[in-house]
Amino acid sequence: EDQVTQSPEALRLQEGESSSLNCSYTVSGLRGLFWYRQDPGKGPEFLFTLYSAGEEKEKERLKATLTKKESFLHITAPKPEDSATYLCAVQARRNNDMRFGAGTRLTVKP
Amino acid sequence: DTAVSQTPKYLVTQMGNDKSIKCEQNLGHDTMYWYKQDSKKFLKIMFSYNNKELIINETVPNRFSPKSPDKAHLNLHINSLELGDSAVYFCASSLSSGNTIYFGEGSWLTVV
Repeated sequence: EDQVTQSPEALRLQEGESSSLNCSYTVSGLRGLFWYRQDPGKGPEFLFTLYSAGEEKEKERLKATLTKKESFLHITAPKPEDSATYLCAVQARRNNDMRFGAGTRLTVKP
Repeated sequence: DTAVSQTPKYLVTQMGNDKSIKCEQNLGHDTMYWYKQDSKKFLKIMFSYNNKELIINETVPNRFSPKSPDKAHLNLHINSLELGDSAVYFCASSLSSGNTIYFGEGSWLTVV
């Protein structure tokens, strides 16, 4: 069965303190790995899709990387507005089903 | 303009009632979904529709039924609501299954 595990569950950073969020996955035939950001009371907002090991994507202070077993979301010099829950999801090639992790709740203090 | 919109945003209802949540997307996508986010924040797929055909149906009670009048709309009907149905329900859409999924703002359902 496909599984997605995100760590840590919660992360508190000071503004400017860089860190990484982890997404470990097992899937039979990965079609894509997705990162979303979810603010309280809102729907998930798409950030990145990664398709193959070694691929990297960047957007402002965020950089996502992918290996055959895990993905990292690196946050460089975060700001308070980066505070949100970050969700990771994997999509299997066999049925295109998307399975989500429980998310990492990031808080950035000024 | 909101890409994926769903109504109502909040719904409080009694056990045993029947309710519906409406969803519309203006992205020109051909696949729409319903996801449920439980108290532990896990997002789980309930249904997806592609060109009016159900293509995914996880182990969801048959009290839940999706209705798609056209490819821009996918409504969720829930019969005989139970306490355990309380959750946030997200509508979403994509251009064909297998591509990036875009979510609505969510509908908070509370069954009392």
